[in-house]
Amino acid sequence: GAGVSQSPSNKVTEKGKDVELRCDPISGHTALYWYRQSLGQGLEFLIYFQGNSAPDKSGLPSDRFSAERTGGSVSTLTIQRTQQEDSAVYLCASSPDRDQPQHFGDGTRLSIL
Amino acid sequence: QKEVEQDPGPLSVPEGAIVSLNCTYSNSAFQYFMWYRQYSRKGPELLMYTYSSGNKEDGRFTAQVDKSSKYISLFIRDSQPSDSATYLCAMMGGSYIPTFGRGTSLIVHP
Repeated sequence: GAGVSQSPSNKVTEKGKDVELRCDPISGHTALYWYRQSLGQGLEFLIYFQGNSAPDKSGLPSDRFSAERTGGSVSTLTIQRTQQEDSAVYLCASSPDRDQPQHFGDGTRLSIL
Repeated sequence: QKEVEQDPGPLSVPEGAIVSLNCTYSNSAFQYFMWYRQYSRKGPELLMYTYSSGNKEDGRFTAQVDKSSKYISLFIRDSQPSDSATYLCAMMGGSYIPTFGRGTSLIVHP
C-alpha cells in the first residue's frame, strides 16, 4: 500500500520567505508527527497530532513554525520568515495509533539561501 | 546526559559478520522500543518494534531490550553490503512522542 508521502521533496527559498511543507499520511493512521533532521544530528521532534485532540506543539522551536492537520488526514507545516538555521530535512511520520511505531516519509529537504 | 545515547560510529565490518548495535537510555518510563534503518537521502524505515523487556526476532534481525539495565540492542546476522546504512534507535513512554538516538553508521564491506 501507499506509504507516507511528502511534498515537495526539495525546496530552495530565500531568507525571509514563507514556506509550506505537505504530508499525506498512510490512510487510516490517527497519529501524525513532524520532525526536523539536520546534518549529523538526530531527529528533533516538532509537533504531534492524535485524532481530534489538540496537537502537542511542545517541540516547535519558535512562533514562526505552525502546523495544521485537516480532516484528520493531510498535514501542512508552515515556516514564516525563514532563517538560514531553518535549513534541514523535515520528516513526517504517521502511525495507526499512538502506541504503535511510526512510519516515515522521505522528507522535504529545505535550503534557505 | 542525553536521554538516549548511541555511538555514532562508523562501525565497519566484513560481509557475513554478526553486527551488534546498542543504545542506552536514562528515562525509566520508556516502554516502547524501535529500531530504524536510514539510507542516504531517505526517511527512516522501521525494522523492529518491541514492547517492554525481552527478545524479538525477524529474519536476520534480533532486537533485545533490558529495562533493568536501560539498554537495548539490535543484532544483524550474516550482514550484507546492502545493510550499510545509519541505524537509529527510538523509544517512547506515556507521552507517545518518541525520543531518537543520533544513529550509528554501519559499513559492511565485501
